[in-house]
Amino acid sequence: DFVMTQSPDSLAVSLGERATINCKSSQSVLSRSNAKNYLGWYQQKAGQPPKLLIYWASTRESGVPDRFSGSGSGTDFTLTINSLQAEDVAVYYCQQYYGTPYTFGQGTKLEIK
Amino acid sequence: EVQLVESGGGLVQPGGSLRLSCAASGFTVTSNYMSWVRQAPGKGLEWLSLINTRGNTYYADSVKGRFTISRDSSTNTLYIQMNSLRAEDTAVYYCASGSGDCYECSSYWGQGTLVTVSS
Repeated sequence: DFVMTQSPDSLAVSLGERATINCKSSQSVLSRSNAKNYLGWYQQKAGQPPKLLIYWASTRESGVPDRFSGSGSGTDFTLTINSLQAEDVAVYYCQQYYGTPYTFGQGTKLEIK
Repeated sequence: EVQLVESGGGLVQPGGSLRLSCAASGFTVTSNYMSWVRQAPGKGLEWLSLINTRGNTYYADSVKGRFTISRDSSTNTLYIQMNSLRAEDTAVYYCASGSGDCYECSSYWGQGTLVTVSS
């Protein structure tokens, strides 16, 4: 199975600053056939279901603010949130969907400093 | 507008069974990959099961042999039959759906239904 490891487990960032969350997969999630990374990022606010932010490692879901961006390839990925807003307080998860089981990372809790 | 509404959660004794439903609207359940994901209290997300557009099913090891995913095109509903329930199955259960841009992603989510396994 793919093991997804996020770092850090939690972080506190000042409003207007940049937040960076890392995700490492135990195996490559890059498909040779279509050159796509089967990696998504989700945001979960308290009491709400998760929300897809990024898919194919770097494609923003419709309606997601452009301060959210995803990067990386193969086994190492990053979610960057520029100009942090108060409404970005949440837990963020990466998930691989290259192969079943479609495993999630353990989550990263983002707070305001 | 795409909407997913879960139902069927509740309190069940260890060893018991429960069937969760996920009523879909705005698309047909046979046209997207559909998943079940759960979240134990205060814990992270755990992917449980998937049914793809061809009807192939996949499971996490933690539920394989105990849970069964299915769908009904006539009612446009996704199900998960949960047998031999254990205390560690206590969680909020979400159904999720892919989309045309990413079949395997969970683009749409329901609000979740709580399952509590306790005597």
